[in-house]
Amino acid sequence: KNEVEQSPQNLTAQEGEFITINCSYSVGISALHWLQQHPGGGIVSLFMLSSGKKKHGRLIATINIQEKHSSLHITASHPRDSAVYICAAPNFGNEKLTFGTGTRLTIIP
Amino acid sequence: EPEVTQTPSHQVTQMGQEVILRCVPISNHLYFYWYRQILGQKVEFLVSFYNNEISEKSEIFDDQFSVERPDGSNFTLKIRSTKLEDSAMYFCASSVREHTGELFFGEGSRLTVL
Repeated sequence: KNEVEQSPQNLTAQEGEFITINCSYSVGISALHWLQQHPGGGIVSLFMLSSGKKKHGRLIATINIQEKHSSLHITASHPRDSAVYICAAPNFGNEKLTFGTGTRLTIIP
Repeated sequence: EPEVTQTPSHQVTQMGQEVILRCVPISNHLYFYWYRQILGQKVEFLVSFYNNEISEKSEIFDDQFSVERPDGSNFTLKIRSTKLEDSAMYFCASSVREHTGELFFGEGSRLTVL
């Protein structure tokens, strides 16, 4: 079973700050997911990456397969970025995802 | 933009009752999943489904749970005899590919068992 750890658990920042959320996992994976959970509970997939780096707007995700570590960065953070960010990793070779506990991000105007 | 839809958004039921949660995955997706999230806890995998059969299931997915794709579009999760601890948000998701496919989630169905 993959153990997925996220840090920090909670993060409060001022609007405009650069945000970093970290995720580490214990078992080699095919791909790692970053998800955003809205205050209402809905989940949106942000990234699915297996190597290197991906960028979408102000969001950047990186992964280091050797170190079993991934980061999610938000540039020029905005109050609408306030949400819970979750990373999820599969056990290698199957589809069973293990989810991190999430990072609750609050951006203050 | 295509989306995964779930019904009902909220269901309240008495302990011991059967519940069916429904999902309509994105039409060209082949892999379907159910996850649950107990209030205040992390999301947990329940089951994955491909080619009309279960491909993976977790230890949570015991004999009280079942899934089926009755008509080629709907994907349902049935809980035969609900328990208090089944109260949770249940999310359906679908993807084009296994393992490396992006997941598309529904908005969730909140189940409250009294």
